Amino acid sequence: TQLLEQSPQFLSIQEGENLTVYCNSSSVFSSLQWYRQEPGEGPVLLVTVVTGGEVKKLKRLTFQFGDARKDSSLHITAAQPGDTGLYLCAGADSGNTPLVFGKGTRLSVIA
Amino acid sequence: KAGVTQTPRYLIKTRGQQVTLSCSPISGHRSVSWYQQTPGQGLQFLFEYFSETQRNKGNFPGRFSGRQFSNSRSEMNVSTLELGDSALYLCASRETSGFTDTQYFGPGTRLTVL
Repeated sequence: TQLLEQSPQFLSIQEGENLTVYCNSSSVFSSLQWYRQEPGEGPVLLVTVVTGGEVKKLKRLTFQFGDARKDSSLHITAAQPGDTGLYLCAGADSGNTPLVFGKGTRLSVIA
Repeated sequence: KAGVTQTPRYLIKTRGQQVTLSCSPISGHRSVSWYQQTPGQGLQFLFEYFSETQRNKGNFPGRFSGRQFSNSRSEMNVSTLELGDSALYLCASRETSGFTDTQYFGPGTRLTVL
């Protein structure tokens, strides 16, 4: 069974701080997605990474896919209150099997 | 393109009743997946439909069922509701292209069972 472990589970930081959240697995994925979810809403796709070692930037967010395609990280620079939410990673293998989701990192950025 | 839509957004039912939730995927997407999200368990996969056929199924009891229509719209049904079925039910439209496999979620239906 493929599993994705996200850490930390909870993170509370001050506005302007930097942070990194992690998504780890013992399994190889063909691609990995990061989502942000706000209370009462569905997850919104932030990025998809496909190539081992790939780095993608989305404004102050930097996403990296591990060289072996088993793990990923999300780094936020100068966090803002608008970054508050639940960050989920999800991995896909090459078949039509369901995506595997981590349990998420709940981020709170305090002004 | 319009996003994934789900109706209703909120629903209150009592134990023993049944409920039907609806989902319309992104135009052109033929795969629809359903998830149950609770604070303790996170996102749990219910089932996936592709071209009107159930392609994958999660580990939920038979009270949870679904179907997909020829226009790709999907419905999910829960019979004999239990208190523990209270959750956010999310539908996702899936797009597979090359090595990329991405899901786009709807806003969810918040089900409360009293």
